[in-house]
Formats: sequence, C-alpha cells, structure tokens
Amino acid sequence: QVQLQQSGAELVKPGSSVKISCKASGYTFTSYDMHWIKQQPGNGLEWIGWIYPGNGNTKYNQKFNGKATLTADKSSSTAYMQLSSLTSEDSAVYFCARRGGTTWDYWGQGVMVTVSS
Amino acid sequence: DIVLTQAPLSVSVTPGESASISCRSSKSLLSSKGITSLYWYLQKPGKSPQLLIYRMSNLASGVPDRFSGSGSETDFTLKISKVETEDVGVYYCAQFLEYPLTFGSGTKLEIK
Repeated sequence: QVQLQQSGAELVKPGSSVKISCKASGYTFTSYDMHWIKQQPGNGLEWIGWIYPGNGNTKYNQKFNGKATLTADKSSSTAYMQLSSLTSEDSAVYFCARRGGTTWDYWGQGVMVTVSS
Repeated sequence: DIVLTQAPLSVSVTPGESASISCRSSKSLLSSKGITSLYWYLQKPGKSPQLLIYRMSNLASGVPDRFSGSGSETDFTLKISKVETEDVGVYYCAQFLEYPLTFGSGTKLEIK
C-alpha cells in the first residue's frame, strides 16, 4: 500500500535552515509528482510546490521562491524540502502529498517545524 | 492568484441532520477541457487531509455517499447528509486549475 513517511519534528533557531524528508513506498516513486503543503498553527493550508522525481523538475508557489528548495533521491524513494533563513513565520506543520490523477491522493503524516531561539 | 472563499467559518450539526458548506471562487474553475477543477478535503483532528470529492462532484474512493458535491463555474457546495460523529473536522475546498494551487480557509464542523 502507498505510504508517505515523513521525518520527525524539528526545533530550529531563527536564521538557520532545516531539511525535512518524505519517504515513499508502495508505488513507483519516479512516476508521480510530490507536493508540499504548509499549515500554520490554527490556520489553513498553503501550497508550496511540487517535484517530479522522475526528472527533478520542480514548480514553486512564487511566495516560497528562495524559502523552499525541493529535491528527490530516486535511490531511496525520498523527497526532501529544505527551508532556509527561518523565521517564526516558518513555524508550521509541513505535509508531503502525492499527486495521483488530478489531485493529492496520499499524504504524509506531517512534520512540525518550530523556529525558536 | 485564485481566491476561494468558504462559508460558514464553522457549523454545528445534530447527528442525523444535514450540513452544507459553500466555496466561492474568484475565477471560473472550468477548464478548456470541460473539467471543473474544484476539490473537497476533510482534515480530521490531528490527521492529514483526506480527499472527499474530486472535480466538483465525483466521490473519492471509500468516501460514504452521504457526501456530495455540486456547483457551477464559481460557486460550489459540499453537502453532508445524515451527519455522523466521525464527520467532525475542518473541510477545505481547493482548486487545481492554475498555479499557485490554492485552498479555501476551511469550515469547521462540530457535533451538537
């Protein structure tokens, strides 16, 4: 069965970077876009971008240009998102989600990133 | 960016009764291929969002037929008939017509 297993919670300092992961299993990793979505505490959902692991192509929400960098490792079926120059506004839960067909059909469990000194 | 406006912010429903949630788009979500690119998700407490309805009115696999979606090019409705306690959570609409992909602000469903 399809599973997306995300890495554990992160506590990071302002100005630093963090890299979170999303390990896929149960399907051909290189055949589906992997999307990333942000959810701030008590707030709604915000789309960050996607990566196509088959060729590394990416598409970003302009709002996250320079903030988020998406990569993928085909050998381990793992997608990554690096967030840089962290501020309190980056404190959120981050989800990875596979796009199957026309929309997101499988989601990771989410990773909480807390930015605090 | 396409703005999706949901209403109400929250709704409290007695089990067995029905509930409706509205989602209004700032732009037509009808694509050139004749597909209405509007989706509904439910995020249960402490969980990831799960797909309920795709392309405005199609029930996702495994979703009870108590859920239904309808609408036009810019105005959409999610209806839940005979609400059950397991339906609590936050409902989001989302559009896949154009980038950036966007979500409505969510509607919280509670049980009376």
